[in-house]
Amino acid sequence: EVQLLESGGGLVQPGGSLRLSCGASGFTFSNYAMSWVRQAPGKGLEWVSVISGSGGNTYYANSVKGRFTISRDSSKNTLSLQMNSLRAEDTAVYFCARGPTRGTFDYWGQGTLVTVSS
Amino acid sequence: QSVLMQPPSLSAAPGQKVTISCSGSSSNIGNNYVSWYQQLPGTAPKLLIYENNKRPSGIPDRFSGSKSGTSATLGITGLQTGDEADYYCGTWDGSLSVGVFGGGTKLTVL
Repeated sequence: EVQLLESGGGLVQPGGSLRLSCGASGFTFSNYAMSWVRQAPGKGLEWVSVISGSGGNTYYANSVKGRFTISRDSSKNTLSLQMNSLRAEDTAVYFCARGPTRGTFDYWGQGTLVTVSS
Repeated sequence: QSVLMQPPSLSAAPGQKVTISCSGSSSNIGNNYVSWYQQLPGTAPKLLIYENNKRPSGIPDRFSGSKSGTSATLGITGLQTGDEADYYCGTWDGSLSVGVFGGGTKLTVL
């Protein structure tokens, strides 16, 4: 059974940093691209970043480019998102998702809440 | 403003059929597979349709998907109160190298 479990969310001041993690199990982690998708309170889904299965390619939404860094550790089956220079508008539930594979995010974690506020 | 355009809300009676549209462009829907997600209140999104019209194991055939050009459609027949949820379309934009989602459609079954 595929499982994705996020951790690391919390309350952080504007300009601060936070590191999210996503533990994966039930599949060969290195075979799949992995993404972070966020959802601000009461809003829709916003794709944030993706990393290829090998870790060699990464892409970011313009809204986080230069502030967030996605990475993966295939020895630990873990996906990470380092978030720096956080802003109030980064407040959201952050989901870890497997994919995209042919445009599909087929499994999602339960999400972790990040609140940026003074 | 989302890259993919969906109606913000729809409502229908139990047993009825609804269709949810998703409009994009040649760089996203026009050249990539479309997927659809159901998000029940307070939960994570769940994959409903992938590769335009395929259903994952466990998804009833009341749910269907189609794509034509730069638009896609999710159909739900035999509506049930348990289908009340937010529905999102999604795909990859090959020109921008970004994932894209629709703004979501809130379905009310009344």
